[in-house]
Amino acid sequence: QKEVEQDPGPLSVPEGAIVSLNCTYSNSAFQYFMWYRQYSRKGPELLMYTYSSGNKEDGRFTAQVDKSSKYISLFIRDSQPSDSATYLCAMRENNAGNMLTFGGGTRLMVKP
Amino acid sequence: DSGVTQTPKHLITATGQRVTLRCSPRSGDLSVYWYQQSLDQGLQFLIQYYNGEERAKGNILERFSAQQFPDLHSELNLSSLELGDSALYFCASSVGGPTVDYTFGSGTRLTVV
Repeated sequence: QKEVEQDPGPLSVPEGAIVSLNCTYSNSAFQYFMWYRQYSRKGPELLMYTYSSGNKEDGRFTAQVDKSSKYISLFIRDSQPSDSATYLCAMRENNAGNMLTFGGGTRLMVKP
Repeated sequence: DSGVTQTPKHLITATGQRVTLRCSPRSGDLSVYWYQQSLDQGLQFLIQYYNGEERAKGNILERFSAQQFPDLHSELNLSSLELGDSALYFCASSVGGPTVDYTFGSGTRLTVV
C-alpha cells in the first residue's frame, strides 16, 4: 500500500461546478500538506500548502487537513476550463529534510 | 517559465545505454531535487543536493547517480538503462532549509527502446 493514496480519476465536471479532490495517507509524521497542479507536458506548480490540521483559503481554492482521519481535501469553487489539469497532493514530515511524498494525482476536466 | 531549466526535453535511447540529464536551478536556489514520474508509480523522490553536497536519498537505483556542481547546476546520470526506466524526470529547486517552496522544471521525457 502506498503512503499517500489519491483517486486517479479522471474527474469530469461542468464549468462552474464545485470540485472536491482528496488524498488519504498512512504516515502520521506528515506535518506539511501541499497541493500541486500539473498541466500536460509541464512540471508541477504549488497551489497551496497547509501546516498541520485546519483549513486554508486562497481565492477559489480551499485546502482542508484532518490529521485525525489522515485525510486532506482541495475544493475548487466556480471551476473553469483552465482548471483542467492533474492535481497532486504532496506531504512532508517536519524533520525529514525537504523530501516530498506525492499522491498519484487526480486528472480533472472542466467542460465549458 | 519557472526559472528551473532542464535539458534535454526529450531523449530516446536504447536499453543498456547511459544518459545524462541536466538541471539549472532557479537563480538564488541552493537545493536541487530529482524526481521520477511514471504512470504506475507517480512522482517518486530520487535524490537531493544542497550547495554541492548530497542531502537526502530516496528510492534511487544503484544504476543512477547525480551530482551538483560549483555553479549549482546538477546532472542525473542513468546507466544500463532498462525499458522500465522510461519516465518523466523532473528537477526542482529551492532556496534550501526547511521549505515547501519548490519550483519544478518542465522535465525530461526519457524513452528507452
